[in-house]
Amino acid sequence: DADVTQTPRNRITKTGKRIMLECSQTKGHDRMYWYRQDPGLGLRLIYYSFDVKDINKGEISDGYSVSRQAQAKFSLSLESAIPNQTALYFCATSDSKTGIRELFFGEGSRLTVL
Amino acid sequence: GIQVEQSPPDLILQEGANSTLRCNFSDSVNNLQWFHQNPWGQLINLFYIPSGTKQNGRLSATTVATERYSLLYISSSQTTDSGVYFCAVYSGGGADGLTFGKGTHLIIQP
Repeated sequence: DADVTQTPRNRITKTGKRIMLECSQTKGHDRMYWYRQDPGLGLRLIYYSFDVKDINKGEISDGYSVSRQAQAKFSLSLESAIPNQTALYFCATSDSKTGIRELFFGEGSRLTVL
Repeated sequence: GIQVEQSPPDLILQEGANSTLRCNFSDSVNNLQWFHQNPWGQLINLFYIPSGTKQNGRLSATTVATERYSLLYISSSQTTDSGVYFCAVYSGGGADGLTFGKGTHLIIQP
């Protein structure tokens, strides 16, 4: 089983719908991240969290919100999806105790907004 | 913020060939990672290498932090090496997390 699990792996939805992508991890890491990837581009940071009570905006947070329900769970919400949010979304974790900020990624969630 | 440039953007090679992928970054870094994104979209950690040289089988990487670049070497390429290779860095300022380059798209032909 993957250490960083994302659900759903694929989702097709319509403009205006609310969508939640969920991430859970068994690595025991304290830091969690959500990234977005568009075709032909690298990944861009949406939000990150250092612990349950800490949420920080990344480079492209507009139109998204997050919730850190527990150390192991970090969800990304699109309150009213729009077509330009069609992308591949990745969750990642890192362990601050190591001091090296190495990131480990989930398998990705492919979202299509029609 | 820090800028990350990867070259070449595209590379087509025959099976068995060797290749060198380059990553230039605009500021000093605390973290540099190389990833392979396979055709199914999965991101696979290759190296954590903010400085120095590491090797793992047919792959090796070198980061010269003082000159702000990193190189990924792939020897004796196999078709399963195809995909996109990303360099990502963390400079210590601004938002946490990694800043990614746009990647090198590698195609290994049989």
